[in-house]
Amino acid sequence: GAVVSQHPSRVICKSGTSVKIECRSLDFQATTMFWYRQFPKKSLMLMATSNEGSKATYEQGVEKDKFLINHASLTLSTLTVTSAHPEDSSFYICSAWVGHGELFFGEGSRLTVL
Amino acid sequence: AQKITQTQPGMFVQEKEAVTLDCTYDTSDPSYGLFWYKQPSSGEMIFLIYQGSYDQQNATEGRYSLNFQKARKSANLVISASQLGDSAMYFCAMREARGDDKIIFGKGTRLHILP
Repeated sequence: GAVVSQHPSRVICKSGTSVKIECRSLDFQATTMFWYRQFPKKSLMLMATSNEGSKATYEQGVEKDKFLINHASLTLSTLTVTSAHPEDSSFYICSAWVGHGELFFGEGSRLTVL
Repeated sequence: AQKITQTQPGMFVQEKEAVTLDCTYDTSDPSYGLFWYKQPSSGEMIFLIYQGSYDQQNATEGRYSLNFQKARKSANLVISASQLGDSAMYFCAMREARGDDKIIFGKGTRLHILP
């Protein structure tokens, strides 16, 4: 079946560094992918919609320069957290629609910024 | 305004009992879809069930059924014969036809199944 794969699953970095998270659709093409952020014991908050070949659409309140999204191919979207700080520590998860009605999620990436 | 409301932050249910997780939604779009996802402690999001706004029948998937009350704008998830492995966070979500394919999640309900 369709699978969305996310990498890395866990990453620890120092404050001030940038971290890239990859989201791949393994056996289908995704012109659109979604990036969510989830704080502990909280819901998923949509950060942005990643569009293949064009700029991402960010939700209100999400810093575009902080969370860079690139969707260069039909199977890969990347989220780069630039100049990460401890408050950026969170669980980031991507998703993509398959067909007309099923949304598949990646495994998620847990970011810890020291 | 919240589009998806889950009023039960946590629930405790005895194993083998049925459980209903509440979800109400708000939309003016006549075409929308409602979803339920399960998130165990591992963090993965597991799709459970889907209900389209024009579907005449309530959706069912194995032990999961969706009690769709369109006039009340509610889409409660019913889990029959609960199992210990059902302990997890459960999220109700909605996709609006004019919402750029975005899916918006409720705050979730943490379900604890007691042995």
